[in-house]
Amino acid sequence: DIQMTQSPSSLSASVGDRVTITCRSSQSTNRYLNWYQQKPGKAPKLLIYAASRLQSGVPSRFSGSGFGTDFTLTISSLQPEDFAVYYCQQSYSPPWTFGQGTKVDIK
Amino acid sequence: QVQLQESGPGLVKPSETLSLTCVVSGDSISSYYWNWVRQPPGKGLEWVGYIYNNDGGTNHNPSLKSRVTMSLDTSKNHFSLKLTSVTAADTAVYYCAGSLRDGYDLGQFVSWGQGTLVTVSS
Repeated sequence: DIQMTQSPSSLSASVGDRVTITCRSSQSTNRYLNWYQQKPGKAPKLLIYAASRLQSGVPSRFSGSGFGTDFTLTISSLQPEDFAVYYCQQSYSPPWTFGQGTKVDIK
Repeated sequence: QVQLQESGPGLVKPSETLSLTCVVSGDSISSYYWNWVRQPPGKGLEWVGYIYNNDGGTNHNPSLKSRVTMSLDTSKNHFSLKLTSVTAADTAVYYCAGSLRDGYDLGQFVSWGQGTLVTVSS
């Protein structure tokens, strides 16, 4: 199985901050890397797919980059509605696997 | 965009079979890979398996060994999950999710149900 490791596991930030979350895979996943946002009691929501493609309807302050084993999710200016848990997921080789999550909360 | 809705018992006894159904609306059931993803309370996400309409092929997480069966009923626009010999470790919110693999679509989960909590307890 491909192991996905996110860092940090949690972070505290203020509205307006630039936030970066990294995701590393145990072997290359090419560009088969996706990012999700999950709020309490809700299903995950797709933000970024294919490493850098913005899902329709997602604000442009979210962006993704990377290739191979190292990926980044960036929120350019954190908004109140962005406080949530973020997961990366590889869809390169089954079983599809997720990172352990990064919780973004209010400083 | 496709909408998904899970249904099934919220309580299952240990050693019995967990059965869930996901109804698909808003798009053709034939275009997607249909997945199950679960999340134990307070923990992260785990992919359970998928069924693909075009060839009926399935794939599941090896961590679940041979306990997983998935099926698809195109006439009723729904797909189903059965997980046998459940234990407390199978207690989780179970989500159904649709994914696409074509062109720029590289298997991302584009649509999710709202999730249903299944508790394994006697």
